[in-house]
Amino acid sequence: DADVTQTPRNRITKTGKRIMLECSQTKGHDRMYWYRQDPGLGLRLIYYSFDVKDINKGEISDGYSVSRQAQAKFSLSLESAIPNQTALYFCATSDFPGSYGYTFGSGTRLTVV
Amino acid sequence: QKEVEQDPGPLSVPEGAIVSLNCTYSNSAFQYFMWYRQYSRKGPELLMYTYSSGNKEDGRFTAQVDKSSKYISLFIRDSQPSDSATYLCAMKLTGGGNKLTFGTGTQLKVEL
Repeated sequence: DADVTQTPRNRITKTGKRIMLECSQTKGHDRMYWYRQDPGLGLRLIYYSFDVKDINKGEISDGYSVSRQAQAKFSLSLESAIPNQTALYFCATSDFPGSYGYTFGSGTRLTVV
Repeated sequence: QKEVEQDPGPLSVPEGAIVSLNCTYSNSAFQYFMWYRQYSRKGPELLMYTYSSGNKEDGRFTAQVDKSSKYISLFIRDSQPSDSATYLCAMKLTGGGNKLTFGTGTQLKVEL
């Protein structure tokens, strides 16, 4: 099994719908992150969590919310999806102090029509 | 201006060539420098990691950091078709809450 598992892998949804992307990890890491990747813009941080009770906004959190249900689970919700939220979404984990980088999931390709 | 600049490519080289991938950055407080490799339809995977200035070698890969010029490089020797991927640089402050700042990635294709 993958260290970081994201579901679904692909999703097409309509404008205005609420959608949840899920992430689970078996690394035992405390820190989890949600990024989106867009051509020409690279990876941009949406939200991050250093433990179950610690949730922080990243650089592009508007229109998104997260829930850290357990150390191993971190979900991302789009409350009312819009077309410019069409992107590739990645979940990642890191260990404290995490200087050796992140472990990424395989991504969720989300299309909002 | 972005904190981290990276030429998007695409960069196409023949098999066996030496590849040079580069990033420049503006924040002199970055201390940790990483290179990630991302294959199509996959998440990025950590390839090389360097702290502060200097060189680090791992097999065919060499990472260089020049903090005085705010410039980092990844060299790939004897490039192989399996090296075809997008390469992202990433940087982190000391402390900084473990947050990484990524370049936009350079797409590399190694031709047979």
